[in-house]
Amino acid sequence: SYVLTQPPSVSVAPGQTARITCGGNNIGTKSVHWYQQKPGQAPVLVVYDDSDRPSGIPERFSGSNSGNTATLTIIRVEAGDEADYYCQVWDNNSVVVFGGGTKLTVL
Amino acid sequence: QVQLQESGPGLVEASETLSLTCTVSGDSINNYYWSWIRQPPGKGLEWIGYIFYSGSTNYNPSLKSRVTISVDTSRSQFSLKMSSVTAADTAVYYCARVTLYSSAWVFDYWGQGTLVTVSS
Repeated sequence: SYVLTQPPSVSVAPGQTARITCGGNNIGTKSVHWYQQKPGQAPVLVVYDDSDRPSGIPERFSGSNSGNTATLTIIRVEAGDEADYYCQVWDNNSVVVFGGGTKLTVL
Repeated sequence: QVQLQESGPGLVEASETLSLTCTVSGDSINNYYWSWIRQPPGKGLEWIGYIFYSGSTNYNPSLKSRVTISVDTSRSQFSLKMSSVTAADTAVYYCARVTLYSSAWVFDYWGQGTLVTVSS
């Protein structure tokens, strides 16, 4: 089965740029989606199809995907961005795969 | 605004069957895929499976032998049954809608989640 690997944690100071990676074999050939989950809440889609944003998501959130790594980038990080972030793809046979999640801490 | 609401017992005995229902409001259940996703306490998301409104399904291979997802379009509901549960099945269970964004299938609406504890 396909495996997505994320760092358990990323820390960044307010106003700086956070980069959260999602590794997978030839993930660049897949469409990657990113979800933000704050404590006690359901996940929210923040980036889809590698780099597109749903309506209502700030332009500070962006994504890229190439080779074996997809990246969620958050510029000008705010305290409100502190959350867990999950990458997700659809594998062969239409199976959904989530990464293990990354806790973003705003220092 | 689309809303999803999970319902069902919060406590299930080990070896029994977990049963949850998701009620959809604000939009038709037709023409969409609907999914169950769970999250053990303090851990990550795990996809359980999905169902199309017409009834076709697909399941996580690791859970397939124990899981059944069904849909009742007349009630705008879809349901999850998981048999032979153990403590490892203790989790927050979310229902979610699957939507096509451009050419990408994503989970765009989620329920608030419901905690199911398996007791031994």
